[in-house]
Amino acid sequence: DAGVIQSPRHEVTEMGQEVTLRCKPISGHNSLFWYRQTMMRGLELLIYFNNNVPIDDSGMPEDRFSAKMPNASFSTLKIQPSEPRDSAVYFCASNTHGSYNEQFFGPGTRLTVL
Amino acid sequence: GNSVTQMEGPVTLSEEAFLTINCTYTATGYPSLFWYVQYPGEGLQLLLKATKADDKGSNKGFEATYRKETTSFHLEKGSVQVSDSAVYFCALTPNQAGTALIFGKGTTLSVSS
Repeated sequence: DAGVIQSPRHEVTEMGQEVTLRCKPISGHNSLFWYRQTMMRGLELLIYFNNNVPIDDSGMPEDRFSAKMPNASFSTLKIQPSEPRDSAVYFCASNTHGSYNEQFFGPGTRLTVL
Repeated sequence: GNSVTQMEGPVTLSEEAFLTINCTYTATGYPSLFWYVQYPGEGLQLLLKATKADDKGSNKGFEATYRKETTSFHLEKGSVQVSDSAVYFCALTPNQAGTALIFGKGTTLSVSS
C-alpha cells in the first residue's frame, strides 16, 4: 500500500491567494483527519470525516478554511484567502472508523504564505 | 475536557543513555493512549499504544505503561541510539471509537554519539 498521499509537499504562496491541499487516504479506511502543526500550537485537529461525512469541524480556525471529501479516496482542505499566520505543516491521516487502530499519517504539506 | 501534557524538550542524551519522557493526561472515562514519533521531514508514525489500564505498549525497545492511578503514560527506553533522534508525541483518544487524537505538544529528543 502506498500509504496516505498528500500533495503538494511544499506550497509557497502570497497572502490573499487561494490554497488547496489534497489528500488520498489509505484504501479501505473510512475515517480521515486533517491536522495542522505549528511551533506555537503544536498539532491541532482541524476537521475529521467518517464515511465522507464531516463529524467535527470545531478545529477549523475560521471561515477562510473549508474541507471536503467528495468520495472515499479523496479530500481537500482549502484556504481562501490565505494569510501569513496560516503558514504551517498540514497533515492528513486516515484509519478505520469504529476501531482504536492507529491513524496513518501522510508526509504533510508545508505551507508558506508570504 | 481531554488533554495531554508532556515534558518540554529538547532532551539531549548521549548514545546508550536511559530515556524517560513524561506524559500525563486528563480525560473522562477510559481513553486509549499512544506514543507517536516524527522523524525529520516526515509524518507521524505510531510507536506504541495501550488501550486499558496497566497495559504496557512496547516497540523498538521503547515501553510505556498505562497508569490510571497517576493518569500517566511515560515513555522509556533503556539505551537510546542516534537514530532515535526525533520528536515524540503522546496522544489519547477518548473512549469513543473513531474519534480524533488529542496530542501533547511533542518532545524533541537529540541523541549524540
